[in-house]
Amino acid sequence: SQQGEEDPQALSIQEGENATMNCSYKTSINNLQWYRQNSGRGLVHLILIRSNEREKHSGRLRVTLDTSKKSSSLLITASRAADTASYFCATNDYKLSFGAGTTVTVRA
Amino acid sequence: DAGVIQSPRHEVTEMGQEVTLRCKPISGHDYLFWYRQTMMRGLELLIYFNNNVPIDDSGMPEDRFSAKMPNASFSTLKIQPSEPRDSAVYFCASRRTQDSGYTFGSGTRLTVV
Repeated sequence: SQQGEEDPQALSIQEGENATMNCSYKTSINNLQWYRQNSGRGLVHLILIRSNEREKHSGRLRVTLDTSKKSSSLLITASRAADTASYFCATNDYKLSFGAGTTVTVRA
Repeated sequence: DAGVIQSPRHEVTEMGQEVTLRCKPISGHDYLFWYRQTMMRGLELLIYFNNNVPIDDSGMPEDRFSAKMPNASFSTLKIQPSEPRDSAVYFCASRRTQDSGYTFGSGTRLTVV
């Protein structure tokens, strides 16, 4: 079953702009993870945030987690054409359950 | 490290044939997962192993699917007989601990005609 649900389904932005996508989930989690998938490729792990953490940064990525609202957000700052991809959140109890993903297009 | 290695990258087979997908996880990763990705259903977990032992196979769609992990460095996913609705991209992933990120292979794109 798909635990995480991303919003929006698709996002188109200009290079240099920020991209924000949200993830909602249903049950309690140990951690939440974000992945990127370029067209025709495997998923790449971006960042993991534990249930007792509220915010985490990695380079141009910022992830927040609100366990009371069962939601998370991923912010990509100063987007580049290479950020064009699908982004998935995945909730982790003992196995990862993925949402349907947000497709991000960064226009040059 | 070469990452998670899957073979073949592409497989086209006729309905009714047996298909075997292969995966080599990252050395030292105790968990191995098989996922299937389709446009309609997204990413679905089929089965996962811990220390070569199948832990949860509730996602395996039917008896035509079977998976094995004879040792820590190799796993197979077999479909026999294959059907057109099995067409999908099959991913293998591994992780070191329960609290770590997953490393995915490049996937096997299976087309059953």
